[in-house]
Amino acid sequence: EVQLVQSGAEVKKPGDSLRISCKGSGYRFTSYWIGWVRQMPGKGLEWMGIIYPGDSDTRYSPSFQGQVTISADKSISTAYLQWSSLKASDTAMYYCARRGEELELDYWGQGSLVTVSS
Amino acid sequence: QSVLTQPPSASGTPGQRVTISCSGSSSNIGSNYVYWYQQLPGTAPKLLIYRNNQRPSGVPDRFSGSKSGTSASLAISGLRSEDEADYYCAAWDDSLYVFGTGTKVTVL
Repeated sequence: EVQLVQSGAEVKKPGDSLRISCKGSGYRFTSYWIGWVRQMPGKGLEWMGIIYPGDSDTRYSPSFQGQVTISADKSISTAYLQWSSLKASDTAMYYCARRGEELELDYWGQGSLVTVSS
Repeated sequence: QSVLTQPPSASGTPGQRVTISCSGSSSNIGSNYVYWYQQLPGTAPKLLIYRNNQRPSGVPDRFSGSKSGTSASLAISGLRSEDEADYYCAAWDDSLYVFGTGTKVTVL
């Protein structure tokens, strides 16, 4: 069974750094792209970027380029989303999702809630 | 960031048919497949339609998708209370995945 399990909720202060994770199981992790999606409170879905764990090829949405870093460790089947200096506006739910054979996002993680507040 | 436009809301009574539109451009819907996702309250999105009109295993045939030119639509026939959710269309635009603005479906 394909599963994406994300790390738990985080409460951080502005300026803090953070890395959240997404662990894949039940499939060959290195053969499928993993994307990240942001959902701010009460808002819609926003595409952040995508990584191919097989060779770490990464593509960012222009809206998020330079604001976050997407990475992956194929040895432990885990993708990451990280911030070097959080802002209050980073408060949101973050989802990872696998890109399937038809370029669809066929499996999703349960989401990681990030709250940034002083 | 959304470049696909959806109506903010749609509603119907149980058993009715509801249709949601999704308008894009030649660089996304016009030249790539359309996908639809359902997000039930408090849960992660779930794939509902891929390749314009294909349903993943387990998705009821009450849900159907179509595409014409730079627009697409999702139809829910035989509306049920458990269909109350947010619905998002999506498409690739070069290497960027673009989502629709989202439509909240209410079952009256």
